[in-house]
Amino acid sequence: DVKVTQSSRYLVKRTGEKVFLECVQDMDHENMFWYRQDPGLGLRLIYFSYDVKMKEKGDIPEGYSVSREKKERFSLILESASTNQTSMYLCASSFRGASTDTQYFGPGTRLTVL
Amino acid sequence: QKEVEQNSGPLSVPEGAIASLNCTYSDRGSQSFFWYRQYSGKSPELIMSIYSNGDKEDGRFTAQLNKASQYVSLLIRDSQPSDSATYLCAVSSINYQLIWGAGTKLIIKP
Repeated sequence: DVKVTQSSRYLVKRTGEKVFLECVQDMDHENMFWYRQDPGLGLRLIYFSYDVKMKEKGDIPEGYSVSREKKERFSLILESASTNQTSMYLCASSFRGASTDTQYFGPGTRLTVL
Repeated sequence: QKEVEQNSGPLSVPEGAIASLNCTYSDRGSQSFFWYRQYSGKSPELIMSIYSNGDKEDGRFTAQLNKASQYVSLLIRDSQPSDSATYLCAVSSINYQLIWGAGTKLIIKP
C-alpha cells in the first residue's frame, strides 16, 4: 500500500512565525503535491514537484515556498504565517507514468494561525 | 480555465437505495477520471478510476464515463450510512496535475 505521511496532524502557530510542513512518501513516486482545502473552496494546488529539486507553482503559491531535496520528501514552508493561512494542508504523491495520475494523500495537517 | 463541476448537495438518499453522483468537465483532452471519498476531517481516498468510455464496476460502486458529453458519474448501490461523505471528482490535466471539483456531500439516511 502507498503510504504518505505528514509531520503533524494539528499545528498552532503565531502570526509571523516560519512554519514547516513535511511530507514523506514511501512508494518511490516522482510527483508530489501540496494543496490547501477550505470549506466551499475545494482543493487548491499550492506547489508541485515532479522530480528532486524541481518545483512548479500551482494556483495559489503566494506566501508559500517548497523544498524537495530528496525524492521521498516534499516540504511546504510558510515564510511568515498569517491568519488567512489557517487551513487544512494536504500532501499527495503520484507515479509518473501513462494514465497513472492517481494521487495518494497523506492524513493532512490542520494549521491554525493565531 | 479548466473546470470540473459538481453539485455541492447535500444529496440525501435512503439506506439501501442507489446514490447517483455526477460531474462535468471542460477539458476535452483529459484522459483519466477519478472519484475520491472524503470523510469529515479526513483526507481524500481513491474510490474509483476510469480511463475509457463506458462503465466500470467495483463492488457496490460503478463509475460511468462519457467523453463525448464530458460527463462522469458514480453510482453507489445498496447505500449504507458509512457511505455518508463528500465525494470529489477529479480529472487529469497537464504536468500530472488533477483538476478537482468542489465535491458533493452525500447523506445516507437510515
